[in-house]
Amino acid sequence: QQPVQSPQAVILREGEDAVINCSSSKALYSVHWYRQKHGEAPVFLMILLKGGEQKGHEKISASFNEKKQQSSLYLTASQLSYSGTYFCGTESGSDKIIFGKGTRLHILP
Amino acid sequence: GAVVSQHPSRVICKSGTSVKIECRSLDFQATTMFWYRQFPKKSLMLMATSNEGSKATYEQGVEKDKFLINHASLTLSTLTVTSAHPEDSSFYICSARDPGSRTDTQYFGPGTRLTVL
Repeated sequence: QQPVQSPQAVILREGEDAVINCSSSKALYSVHWYRQKHGEAPVFLMILLKGGEQKGHEKISASFNEKKQQSSLYLTASQLSYSGTYFCGTESGSDKIIFGKGTRLHILP
Repeated sequence: GAVVSQHPSRVICKSGTSVKIECRSLDFQATTMFWYRQFPKKSLMLMATSNEGSKATYEQGVEKDKFLINHASLTLSTLTVTSAHPEDSSFYICSARDPGSRTDTQYFGPGTRLTVL
């Protein structure tokens, strides 16, 4: 039931782009994206509801393909502050969110 | 956005003692809160769903008698780790859904780092 995230880790230079993918074997009601920095709790980025929507948050945007049960998080012109571990969480109608294993993103100056 | 607080932020205790962790929603009422556990460099593992006024729903493999959850009010849920052992050392994070938000967003507390000696 745990969604699968890829890649496991990414190293970028400041200003480069990245894509983080999240896929599930179950039909999804929503997908939630969070970013966690070392030693801190996860911070909410965005939620995507079924309907195949796409959302944006500053230079971070995401898409949700309901039919493919997949979501992707897009980071454009990455900044040093984007470093951290990104988790996708999926909800299949049971009101609880199950998180993937995370994607570690490291931005080099 | 909505705020969820946890107390304490860090606790160190001796093996065999019990530890209570509080989770509060500060500016909204949460009928449902969630408790997660996270080991270093690992994902967030859902332990249980805390329901106001009723019993918590535990995930498979989580011991109900070891991790006692009480959701006494619409703004407070507590997790008590009973007879703690070193293997219970972990980062415990609660979250609460804001029913007033248009998208029913789930917000996390700052977490509680438990170390059992």
